Amino acid sequence: NAGVTQTPKFRILKIGQSMTLQCAQDMNHNYMYWYRQDPGMGLKLIYYSVGAGITDKGEVPNGYNVSRSTTEDFPLRLELAAPSQTSVYFCASSSVGVTSGTEAFFGQGTRLTVV
Amino acid sequence: GNSVTQMEGPVTLSEEAFLTINCTYTATGYPSLFWYVQYPGEGLQLLLKATKADDKGSNKGFEATYRKETTSFHLEKGSVQVSDSAVYFCAQVKAAGNKLTFGGGTRVLVKP
Repeated sequence: NAGVTQTPKFRILKIGQSMTLQCAQDMNHNYMYWYRQDPGMGLKLIYYSVGAGITDKGEVPNGYNVSRSTTEDFPLRLELAAPSQTSVYFCASSSVGVTSGTEAFFGQGTRLTVV
Repeated sequence: GNSVTQMEGPVTLSEEAFLTINCTYTATGYPSLFWYVQYPGEGLQLLLKATKADDKGSNKGFEATYRKETTSFHLEKGSVQVSDSAVYFCAQVKAAGNKLTFGGGTRVLVKP
């Protein structure tokens, strides 16, 4: 009954370091999403994927990269961490596009601090 | 562009009080509308939704009605419990897209 699993839960990075936030889902969902949540703000879409091998930019893609080699996994890569990337990151998945009112399932989040 | 505006929190209530969280949206066409809830330390989970005008979504005692004429989707609950303490997000997705647009979230604290 795992759903969407994100690792790590917390991480502190130094400016200029790189890291990968992991996201895995076991529901065989085609659609996966990465959001960031800044304090007092709504979630902003970074990247999304409609299936293995297909990714597309969201509202705030700069400074991030993604890949989708399998249906289950959708890692988010930060190449040169900057303080502006301090945020809580959420991965989500849905069986089909949320256009039709389909529910998106969210992971518990990764709290990232860049110092 | 498409956006969602919801009332800022925090909202502090006593148990059994009436809760309303206002949400308005701007969008072309007829978006689907959602309320997601985030309990402490957890990810977001769907609370309720409505996919067309005049639809009413309901779950766990919460209700929201899709009002096209006022472009609103206000969340209500008649008698809140301490366990309803959470952050509530209004969201929309336009008919031709796959991107959820979220409001800023409203933190609700219910005191015994």
